[in-house]
Amino acid sequence: SYVLTQPPSVSVAPGKTARITCGGNNIGSKSVHWYQQKPGQAPVLVIYYDSDRPSGIPERFSGSNSGNTATLTISRVEAGDEADYYCQVWDSSSDHFVVFGGGTKLTVL
Amino acid sequence: QVQLQESGPGLVKPSQTLSLTCTVSGGSISSGSYYWSWIRQPAGKGLEWIGRIYTSGSTNYNPSLKSRVTISVDTSKNQFSLKLSSVTAADTAVYYCARERGGDYYDSTGRGYYYYYMDVWGKGTTVTVSS
Repeated sequence: SYVLTQPPSVSVAPGKTARITCGGNNIGSKSVHWYQQKPGQAPVLVIYYDSDRPSGIPERFSGSNSGNTATLTISRVEAGDEADYYCQVWDSSSDHFVVFGGGTKLTVL
Repeated sequence: QVQLQESGPGLVKPSQTLSLTCTVSGGSISSGSYYWSWIRQPAGKGLEWIGRIYTSGSTNYNPSLKSRVTISVDTSKNQFSLKLSSVTAADTAVYYCARERGGDYYDSTGRGYYYYYMDVWGKGTTVTVSS
């Protein structure tokens, strides 16, 4: 089955730019979606279809996808952005199912 | 604004069947081209997709759980349900229901692909497997 690899943790100072990667074999050929999850809360969709933002998500959140890496970029990071972030794709290569990355803990220093 | 709410027993004994229901409010479960999904998350760990159902009854399941999972839908009650059989302590987790939507796209060669993502989530319910 398809595997998505994320770094366990990323740290960034307030006001700086955070980049969270999601690696997968030829992931650029897939559509990648990103979720933010704060402690004790359900995940929230922040990016879908590689780079689209749902309504209500700040423009500071952006996404890109090419080759073997998809990236979630958070500009001008705020303390409230501290959370776990998960990437997700639809694996239609064999069995058809949703695959999540292992998640990345974003710490705002 | 569609909202989802999970319900069901918070404690299940080993070897028994875990049963959860997700109630959809603020819209009809039958309207639109949506799938209705279950996802779980063990404490301190990542998200695991369990499976999904379309209102036609068509289902997809995570291969690692397929032999133990049944997802069903009751459109008259605007609900869908999860049954997970032969549970063990490893099935202890927060269980979320979610609305899944998607579309298709084509690469530069003209090959078509589907994509799906979860745009509405329930708050989650904790299920503990213990005797």
